[in-house]
Order: sequence, then C-alpha cells, then structure tokens
Amino acid sequence: VQLLESGGGLVQPGGSLRVSCAASGFTFSSYAMNWVRQAPGKGLEWVSVISGSADRTYYADFVKGRFTISRDNSKNTLFLQMNSLRAEDTAVYYCAKVLDFGMITWAFDIWGQGTMVTVSS
Amino acid sequence: QLVLTQSPSASASLGASVKLTCTLSRRHSSYVIAWHQQQPDKGPRYLMKLNSDGSHSKGDGIPDRFSGSSSGAERYLTISSLQSEDEADYYCQTWGTGIQVFGTGTKVTVL
Repeated sequence: VQLLESGGGLVQPGGSLRVSCAASGFTFSSYAMNWVRQAPGKGLEWVSVISGSADRTYYADFVKGRFTISRDNSKNTLFLQMNSLRAEDTAVYYCAKVLDFGMITWAFDIWGQGTMVTVSS
Repeated sequence: QLVLTQSPSASASLGASVKLTCTLSRRHSSYVIAWHQQQPDKGPRYLMKLNSDGSHSKGDGIPDRFSGSSSGAERYLTISSLQSEDEADYYCQTWGTGIQVFGTGTKVTVL
C-alpha cells in the first residue's frame, strides 16, 4: 500500500498549481482520501477530503473557494487544484487514506511522503 | 469547537517509558482519536485508533511498545522501552462531520 505525491514546486503569489497523489496496493475507489499540509516548522493541518465515489467533498475554511479536491478512480489518482495561492499556503502537502471502507471523516492509516509547495515572488 | 490539546514536549531516558496526553474539548470527550508519529524529515505514520473506553487498534507493524489508553476526555499514548528511533513528533487526530482536527503535536526527546 503506497501513496506518492508529485507536482509541488515554486509558484508566485496569486498563481495556481495542481498536486497529485498516485495510489497503489488497495482498492482506491473504496476509500475517502484527504490532503493535509505542514508549513515549515509547524504542525499538521487538514485541508480537504473527498469520498471514494467523489460525490462528497469537504474543505477547511482557509481554502474554501480557492482549492478543489478531485480524484480519477480509473487512474488511482487524487488531485488538489490550488488557485489564488498565498505565501501562507507554503507547506509540504501530504495525501492520506482513510482507515475504513465507506467512512468519509475518520482516522488516517496511510500517508504519502509529501510534496513541497512554495509560494513566493 | 472541536479542539485537541497536546503538551509541546516530553522526554525520557533510553529504555524508559513516556506517556503522552491528548485532551479533547469538553463537549467532545467521548470522541475516538488516532495517534500518528512523524520522525524528522519524514511523512507521518499511523500508530493506532483509540476509543473512549481505551480499546485500540494499531497499524501494521507497530511494535507492542506502543499502547493507548483513555480516561474521560484524555487520550494517552504510552511508549515503553524507549528507543532512539522513537524520537519524533506525535500528533493526535480526531474528526467530526466534514472536518478533521489535529493536535499541535508533542516532540519526544530520548535522553
């Protein structure tokens, strides 16, 4: 069971970036998936969750209207589209799998290694 | 508001035990939580899911040295026979309808 993030990089304030998370080793479409971020030297901060069938999504207040979570179950891939980026969005972005089938908000049992997003001019 | 409170740091000697505390906000004292470990420069790793009655289920490959317990709104993680690789940040996590919440983390130092 593995999660592998990609797509991070340097982007200017106000810009956009899409990060991805490739999943393997489990039935991807059966599990809700999350994005969690960690600013340099700070703690973990939940960003967003999407249900296995992609019919439900939830966001942290600080990204509502700017970020969009989505998934392609045919390709076992999770996405986070980030628009109107700010300096305070600078962080390592992790994807994380929910522990149990069918649960939306629940414990995370598998984490990726993260991808760094830097918002700076 | 759903809040998890953790002490910023804890320390114990090699081979000793350390007990970390995660306190739920009063209205949410019955909630289930999860514990995660983050070693330096690594992604987090799931340790266990911990119920309000103290029963817990650990992740694959988590050593028996890691155990969980509960009392009221407090959730505990005990690490016995501390090893150097246990030096890490430990986060508790809980959830509600449409939200996930993390504690601020406890940094464990092995002396």
